Amino acid sequence: GAGVSQSPRYKVAKRGQDVALRCDPISGHVSLFWYQQALGQGPEFLTYFQNEAQLDKSGLPSDRFFAERPEGSVSTLKIQRTQQEDSAVYLCASSPTTGPNSPLHFGNGTRLTVT
Amino acid sequence: AQSVAQPEDQVNVAEGNPLTVKCTYSVSGNPYLFWYVQYPNRGLQFLLKYITGDNLVKGSYGFEAEFNKSQTSFHLKKPSALVSDSALYFCAVRDSEYGNKLVFGAGTILRVKS
Repeated sequence: GAGVSQSPRYKVAKRGQDVALRCDPISGHVSLFWYQQALGQGPEFLTYFQNEAQLDKSGLPSDRFFAERPEGSVSTLKIQRTQQEDSAVYLCASSPTTGPNSPLHFGNGTRLTVT
Repeated sequence: AQSVAQPEDQVNVAEGNPLTVKCTYSVSGNPYLFWYVQYPNRGLQFLLKYITGDNLVKGSYGFEAEFNKSQTSFHLKKPSALVSDSALYFCAVRDSEYGNKLVFGAGTILRVKS
């Protein structure tokens, strides 16, 4: 069955470059989340969408990070002028409802390495 | 705001023995508690959740967890460990006062030896 799909799987960027990470959630899922997972750490919340509306962006670490979900399905996380501290795995997750008891379905992540 | 603590970086257990992975949480409202497992180079897989009701919840692959409100704990358990259970385990919590944000602990590596 189709799960959450993320691309690219791996991305190497030189410091200062812009990157765009894509997430295809499970079809029909209303909620979409982005998380950042540094090596050896738990996932850290970045942002949350309900359909196309970005309801919570409190976890975005700086104004270099921007996320969008214009049609309420595919989402893109963009990082401008990448820095070495941006190196991490970026996880996307979706859930079918907006309720707090609904588990998240995660993709396999995009591993970003900034050199 | 909500938070989660997983006090053990690593848990080692022999195959066939019972296992426990510890988790404590802090919330302002009511907790919605989850356990996830992560295998190398993969995303997180949902194991089980506590929302309300029976304090002992059962989940995938024979795992269960016990909610203890007075101790603000949600420990993951399995009666008989398998080598294939070796992975990274995350406890997570949502706070009913703070919407949909799911906050994760730092994770516990489980190693099951044959």
